[in-house]
Amino acid sequence: SAVISQKPSRDICQRGTSLTIQCQVDSQVTMMFWYRQQPGQSLTLIATANQGSEATYESGFVIDKFPISRPNLTFSTLTVSNMSPEDSSIYLCSAEQGSGEKLFFGSGTQLSVL
Amino acid sequence: DAKTTQPPSMDCAEGRAANLPCNHSTISGNEYVYWYRQIHSQGPQYIIHGLKNNETNEMASLIITEDRKSSTLILPHATLRDTAVYYCIVRAAMDSSYKLIFGSGTRLLVRP
Repeated sequence: SAVISQKPSRDICQRGTSLTIQCQVDSQVTMMFWYRQQPGQSLTLIATANQGSEATYESGFVIDKFPISRPNLTFSTLTVSNMSPEDSSIYLCSAEQGSGEKLFFGSGTQLSVL
Repeated sequence: DAKTTQPPSMDCAEGRAANLPCNHSTISGNEYVYWYRQIHSQGPQYIIHGLKNNETNEMASLIITEDRKSSTLILPHATLRDTAVYYCIVRAAMDSSYKLIFGSGTRLLVRP
């Protein structure tokens, strides 16, 4: 199974600043995704990180707020821009393995915005 | 939007079977049923998936009704470490986006 590492695992940030979260996979993958999990809630898909092209965002999420990079087949970043306390969540990276039947998840980044 | 309905919470005794139901009455012919679980403070973990036949692996069994409108995840001998939120998801496995849309899930508590 693919191993997904996320950095940082947690951070406390000031309002108005930005944080970039890194996601590294130990093998090449085709699809990578970013999710958000607000306190006590289920996971919400933010976007699909496409290699070599712009990310595909879900309804309610925009590139200016959550810019995503995918420079190669093993790495992606998500930036949370101009943060507010409402952005306090866990952010999770996921990737498909093999034929795409299974998705694997990182352990997440716990973000708190003061 | 999530295409599945699950009870918000369930409990079972340690060592007994845990049977988690899922309703997916609008499932399409090419959509698979997936189960994931999320143990507190961790990322979701894949459990099992199936199309129309019952499936079993080292973690669980998946029973899909003949009309495919519902399914049951069975943990045959639940342990305290199985306490988690369990998500039932329908997804077209061969869809080029492969994205998973999570519903609210079932919070399973395994009692000593």
